[in-house]
Amino acid sequence: AQSVTQPDIHITVSEGASLELRCNYSYGATPYLFWYVQSPGQGLQLLLKYFSGDTLVQGIKGFEAEFKRSQSSFNLRKPSVHWSDAAEYFCAVGGVAGGYNKLIFGAGTRLAVHP
Amino acid sequence: GAGVSQSPSNKVTEKGKDVELRCDPISGHTALYWYRQSLGQGLEFLIYFQGNSAPDKSGLPSDRFSAERTGGSVSTLTIQRTQQEDSAVYLCASSTDRGETQYFGPGTRLLVL
Repeated sequence: AQSVTQPDIHITVSEGASLELRCNYSYGATPYLFWYVQSPGQGLQLLLKYFSGDTLVQGIKGFEAEFKRSQSSFNLRKPSVHWSDAAEYFCAVGGVAGGYNKLIFGAGTRLAVHP
Repeated sequence: GAGVSQSPSNKVTEKGKDVELRCDPISGHTALYWYRQSLGQGLEFLIYFQGNSAPDKSGLPSDRFSAERTGGSVSTLTIQRTQQEDSAVYLCASSTDRGETQYFGPGTRLLVL
């Protein structure tokens, strides 16, 4: 079955510290992979995506993610966290099967940033 | 350009009433999706529209839920005889016809009392 696992429900880091949010997926074909961020009361904003090619992808706001096929992972990283990064982060997997991209989301990781 | 817009942003209703939620996709996007975000279930796919093709309704949780898309643009999600378990944030997304990347609206927060 297709699924996405985000093992960490809550993470707290200090401002300026590095960050890694974990994402593991199960998908029957080559997946499309996404990270979205949701601030309180807001919709989902796309941070970055992976379709093919270079397995290290750069996104907005200084985030990057690395696709590791052997580990079925797509972890999100940022070298130095800012207080404004406090939000909920969702990993999603999809693929254009049946002619469209039906996204399957992980449960999300809520990030808190200490000053 | 403008992103996906949704209205209303918040809706409070009484159990048993019908509600309509509206989504305006990004101009030029032919694909439109509805998702539901609730505490117990996370983010769930509800329905997908693409052009004039028959929609994929496989994610609709019951026959109280329906959606339409008029003129290939605006979409309305209707929930009839609302129940308390329908309380959630309803998110709309749109994409180009290739569908790789979906862009989300701010959502409608529905509370059923």
